[in-house]
Amino acid sequence: GAGVSQSPSNKVTEKGKDVELRCDPISGHTALYWYRQSLGQGLEFLIYFQGNSAPDKSGLPSDRFSAERTGGSVSTLTIQRTQQEDSAVYLCASSLTEDTEAFFGQGTRLTVV
Amino acid sequence: SQQGEEDPQALSIQEGENATMNCSYKTSINNLQWYRQNSGRGLVHLILIRSNEREKHSGRLRVTLDTSKKSSSLLITASRAADTASYFCAAASGGSYIPTFGRGTSLIVHP
Repeated sequence: GAGVSQSPSNKVTEKGKDVELRCDPISGHTALYWYRQSLGQGLEFLIYFQGNSAPDKSGLPSDRFSAERTGGSVSTLTIQRTQQEDSAVYLCASSLTEDTEAFFGQGTRLTVV
Repeated sequence: SQQGEEDPQALSIQEGENATMNCSYKTSINNLQWYRQNSGRGLVHLILIRSNEREKHSGRLRVTLDTSKKSSSLLITASRAADTASYFCAAASGGSYIPTFGRGTSLIVHP
């Protein structure tokens, strides 16, 4: 596609349920990043993929968070046993290489009730 | 920890005026990117500047980089009401190319 695509756009889930967020990067982009943004805040780094491997998972806030990337393309971010503090906008970005412009999707707004 | 820190936190100007936002960072960078965000959703990429560059332009936007002061600035000339948004810098530093964001500058341009 022309840009980074994220789905769903919005997700409301009950506390304790698991959620999966999807990111389709720009075709051919090797680097993929996940961030989250709470209301009025900056972006908090979660995880970085280069191809299918994740050399940097340092931003994942707890073991309830995991992510994978398959075929060097689509990535899914999974949050298990969601908590209210997980409510945020989850943003995905991709770049052609690690030293080029990173382009963002529109994000998934997650609300845990 | 946040690598890029924007200043000021908020800026309010009249249409036609110039807007300058600053970004400071702590350790040597590989590159620094500027983004615009409307309504708290997707970020629009504006400019990437590398550590060996000092200035880049794109339309009404001008970005400068001063590695001796560990700072960058974004200048928007002849601002328009449509420039109203939050602006973020993201620095990739040390051995990492992961963009690390500051809290942003909220710009309001009054018609």
